[in-house]
Amino acid sequence: GESVGLHLPTLSVQEGDNSIINCAYSNSASDYFIWYKQESGKGPQFIIDIRSNMDKRQGQRVTVLLNKTVKHLSLQIAATQPGDSAVYFCAEKRTGFQKLVFGTGTRLLVSP
Amino acid sequence: DAGVIQSPRHEVTEMGQEVTLRCKPISGHDYLFWYRQTMMRGLELLIYFNNNVPIDDSGMPEDRFSAKMPNASFSTLKIQPSEPRDSAVYFCASSLIGGGGEKLFFGSGTQLSVL
Repeated sequence: GESVGLHLPTLSVQEGDNSIINCAYSNSASDYFIWYKQESGKGPQFIIDIRSNMDKRQGQRVTVLLNKTVKHLSLQIAATQPGDSAVYFCAEKRTGFQKLVFGTGTRLLVSP
Repeated sequence: DAGVIQSPRHEVTEMGQEVTLRCKPISGHDYLFWYRQTMMRGLELLIYFNNNVPIDDSGMPEDRFSAKMPNASFSTLKIQPSEPRDSAVYFCASSLIGGGGEKLFFGSGTQLSVL
């Protein structure tokens, strides 16, 4: 089956740095993408989403970039804080289909 | 709103026992999802409901797993009999897709350990 591809790498950054987390997806029919943050012992928490008719979307300290040509998503976190330490998942779906497919996640470690 | 509420938070049981996980979705949401999370397989969708009706249960691993949603405010996921390989964190999530939003709101999960 198709899947969002992410190993579980670890990204270590210093507090105040900008972080970039990447995700490759394989289903070219997917047209909606979401980034989730999961802290230890908690469920995934919505961060930001983007539809396939957009290339970029900004939130508070976060930006999601979508490159449909190479089927690539990235999450940029500005001025990373220790509270940003978590596992980040990208997820994809296709409009009209409710199944949200998750990648395997990236662990972000922020050192003070 | 209190968010999606799951119980119990932790469940430890012995192989062969019946396990029932419970979920209360966010009021007004029309979709409810059950996910399972393991280190090996990540987050997997087991089943989802729309307006209390099961729509897609293709992710349910075996007949030992069953899910029900008797009303808009309650769902259960049952494993009978349980096996050690069922050990995982089980998440319930809800969303209001009919309103144009598609983001899922997750509960805190149930950590299941089958010995």
